[in-house]
Amino acid sequence: AQSVAQPEDQVNVAEGNPLTVKCTYSVSGNPYLFWYVQYPNRGLQFLLKYITGDNLVKGSYGFEAEFNKSQTSFHLKKPSALVSDSALYFCAVRDPHDYKLSFGAGTTVTVRA
Amino acid sequence: SQTIHQWPATLVQPVGSPLSLECTVEGTSNPNLYWYRQAAGRGLQLLFYSVGIGQISSEVPQNLSASRPQDRQFILSSKKLLLSDSGFYLCAWRADRGLARINEQFFGPGTRLTVL
Repeated sequence: AQSVAQPEDQVNVAEGNPLTVKCTYSVSGNPYLFWYVQYPNRGLQFLLKYITGDNLVKGSYGFEAEFNKSQTSFHLKKPSALVSDSALYFCAVRDPHDYKLSFGAGTTVTVRA
Repeated sequence: SQTIHQWPATLVQPVGSPLSLECTVEGTSNPNLYWYRQAAGRGLQLLFYSVGIGQISSEVPQNLSASRPQDRQFILSSKKLLLSDSGFYLCAWRADRGLARINEQFFGPGTRLTVL
């Protein structure tokens, strides 16, 4: 069975500082990993994905994520956070042999001015 | 470009009343379609999945049902709503071309359901 853990319910950073949102996963085969962002009362927006290849994946809005197979992690990062990055962030994983995405519980990011 | 629509945006229904939520996708064909429920603004629970017309997989036993009468239409229904059915319902689609399993899901704007 596949699963995702987001160990932090909340992350608070000052605008201009680096932002990291943590994600670890468990899957039987090589994982397909995804990050989504959700603003209040809105649907989820796709940010980026890792399928294979370069461990550093670049996505929308200046976000990137690093796949680390030995640590089974896929942390989301942004070098300089903006107030507008304040939102709920979800990590998700799919086993290559499964049709389902498994989502983490979400991490609320608050960027203060 | 592809777009996904959900309606209504918000709904307030009494306990025991029926439910029908609709999701449609434009700009693609034969999408994989999903219904999720999100409670208290946190994690997502997969409710139903469909790979084609009339093909529905249920993930969680409950008083909800889903139907796919057309290729790009996905409907979530209930005959009698419970208080516990309140939540934010999200529809999503995924392209079923090429290596479909690597494709990301795209989500609709959601429907906020309150059962009183």
